[in-house]
Amino acid sequence: DAKTTQPPSMDCAEGRAANLPCNHSTISGNEYVYWYRQIHSQGPQYIIHGLKNNETNEMASLIITEDRKSSTLILPHATLRDTAVYYCIVRVGYRNTGKLIFGQGTTLQVKP
Amino acid sequence: EAGVAQSPRYKIIEKRQSVAFWCNPISGHATLYWYQQILGQGPKLLIQFQNNGVVDDSQLPKDRFSAERLKGVDSTLKIQPAKLEDSAVYLCASSSQGLDYEQYFGPGTRLTVT
Repeated sequence: DAKTTQPPSMDCAEGRAANLPCNHSTISGNEYVYWYRQIHSQGPQYIIHGLKNNETNEMASLIITEDRKSSTLILPHATLRDTAVYYCIVRVGYRNTGKLIFGQGTTLQVKP
Repeated sequence: EAGVAQSPRYKIIEKRQSVAFWCNPISGHATLYWYQQILGQGPKLLIQFQNNGVVDDSQLPKDRFSAERLKGVDSTLKIQPAKLEDSAVYLCASSSQGLDYEQYFGPGTRLTVT
């Protein structure tokens, strides 16, 4: 079973920041948080990952709480092309044997 | 850089028939994954290969599903015989050595079993 909990759906206005929350209260000290997204009729796409520090790349920012029990993915200026299902994942296992267990994710609808 | 290629993109078969899917990963990627995604759900890992060896096949229904990765490159996933509940999108992904959290997915094969 997935170790994360996400709201099933969210809306965001185009051009505004989209903040997608995720709860992972049972995360272990050495487990990373990963975010993927899946645009309709495409395969999932890696976005970002982090352990305990906040992370930023060209796609998004990841904010992890100090107790690591929750995190937020931030898309700073959402566009219509960001409409997708966003998956928050805590990987189970270790390098080369670890696996990603996808939950049902959050469907983000970006509206004009 | 070419992405993960899969074929066919769509397949319709009757129950009890057999079907095979093909995947060509990104060049140089040692790890290859097959996922099953049922409508409305997240992808579920079926099998993971490291080069041409199986790392994890705990979720593969071995009585009807089989997969191989000859020469550590291309892979095929077969279902024989198919059941109605096998209707899903079958996704192939690959990752490079030591970076297995960053998986690159193909477009998937949509299977409909009637």
